[in-house]
Amino acid sequence: IQLTQSPSFLSASVGDRVTFTCRASRGISSYLAWYQQKPGKAPRLLIYAASTLQSGVPSRFSGGGSGTEFTLTITSLQPEDFATYYCQQLNSYPLTFGGGTKVEIK
Amino acid sequence: EVQLVESGGGLVQPGGSLRLSCAASGFTFSNYAMSWVRQAPGEGLEWVSGIHGSGGSTFHADFVKGRFTVSRDTSKNTLYLQMNSLSAEDTAVYYCVKDLHYSGSGGIDHWGQGTLLTVSS
Repeated sequence: IQLTQSPSFLSASVGDRVTFTCRASRGISSYLAWYQQKPGKAPRLLIYAASTLQSGVPSRFSGGGSGTEFTLTITSLQPEDFATYYCQQLNSYPLTFGGGTKVEIK
Repeated sequence: EVQLVESGGGLVQPGGSLRLSCAASGFTFSNYAMSWVRQAPGEGLEWVSGIHGSGGSTFHADFVKGRFTVSRDTSKNTLYLQMNSLSAEDTAVYYCVKDLHYSGSGGIDHWGQGTLLTVSS
């Protein structure tokens, strides 16, 4: 199953509401997770089961969708949110990641 | 506290072999699926191999099938990745990761610090 993330790059300002998309090549129900990765660090789980917020993750992050189209929304971008975001499908093996969306400061 | 500590990375020549290990602690190891995820320098994440909690089922990405083998020793709380026929394309940081669920369908809630594999002559 291939995952396509869009956009690849996103330039935004602190306080902006941003949404990125992850599309699956075939239906994966709600077996999708979102991760945040900062340079030189391991990724961090933000959302699992498409819309469940992982413990400790701020409520400004939210996920949605099912089937083949999914979204990750950050309601008010904070300085610490500038990072790269990846989606991952867990519907079937081999598990796969999307190519990532890099969020940069405008 | 969950801890995943990888070891075994390093420099290997093309065509060579290497085994990565991951010592797990802070959770009931046999209750959760584990995987290896890699990231080449400047590139995105790639899921490599995974194994169910009991170790009865293993899975591999197409690009490593027949070359890599994942296994786990529940008596030692250790995950392994045996890598053979290595090429430059396998150069990456390899992360040992824990899933939320037994079968690997939940999401990765813990990551190791990563171990660097460099394949070069």
